[in-house]
Amino acid sequence: RKEVEQDPGPFNVPEGATVAFNCTYSNSASQSFFWYRQDCRKEPKLLMSVYSSGNEDGRFTAQLNRASQYISLLIRDSKLSDSATYLCVVRTGNQFYFGTGTSLTVIP
Amino acid sequence: DAGVIQSPRHEVTEMGQEVTLRCKPISGHDYLFWYRQTMMRGLELLIYFNNNVPIDDSGMPEDRFSAKMPNASFSTLKIQPSEPRDSAVYFCASRYMSGRFIPGELFFGEGSRLTVL
Repeated sequence: RKEVEQDPGPFNVPEGATVAFNCTYSNSASQSFFWYRQDCRKEPKLLMSVYSSGNEDGRFTAQLNRASQYISLLIRDSKLSDSATYLCVVRTGNQFYFGTGTSLTVIP
Repeated sequence: DAGVIQSPRHEVTEMGQEVTLRCKPISGHDYLFWYRQTMMRGLELLIYFNNNVPIDDSGMPEDRFSAKMPNASFSTLKIQPSEPRDSAVYFCASRYMSGRFIPGELFFGEGSRLTVL
């Protein structure tokens, strides 16, 4: 079983739409959770950390459900510049496990 | 601050040749990770170091792969002999355990795109 599972998409949404990504993780002992963003042919970069209490950064909202081992990312009012691959990341000890990523294309 | 620096950015080689990828982590970071990314398998951890010491190399595919970190500012990933299935983007990432950065944030280099013919 993979450590982190994500729906690969692709998600094609119009500008201004709200889109949600989900992922699940297998190890209940995992300690930290993140969403990374990866643009085409670029390196992954941290988008935001994810906390049980939920956290928001502008149009982005991340949520963690430890009981269900489920992580989500909500993007409101999508912009063309949001087009990228979104990677769900889980830290267990000193190891970081990456999902395969969900591809988002925002269409004019 | 300079980010993680990797070289070469692109490498095209023939099957059987030796490939050496290089990484300079962010100064002061005490963890260094080597990842491989392919379309089929996504990002896979190959090996990571803490204070220049290899901690977990269970992700290294086979004996053809080796990694070293002779000092805090330099690491290499070597493939010998290379095979077409090794074609991928190889990322180096570093991390600082505590301090002013977000705990757990990984900083990636721009990657080395390897093509083995």
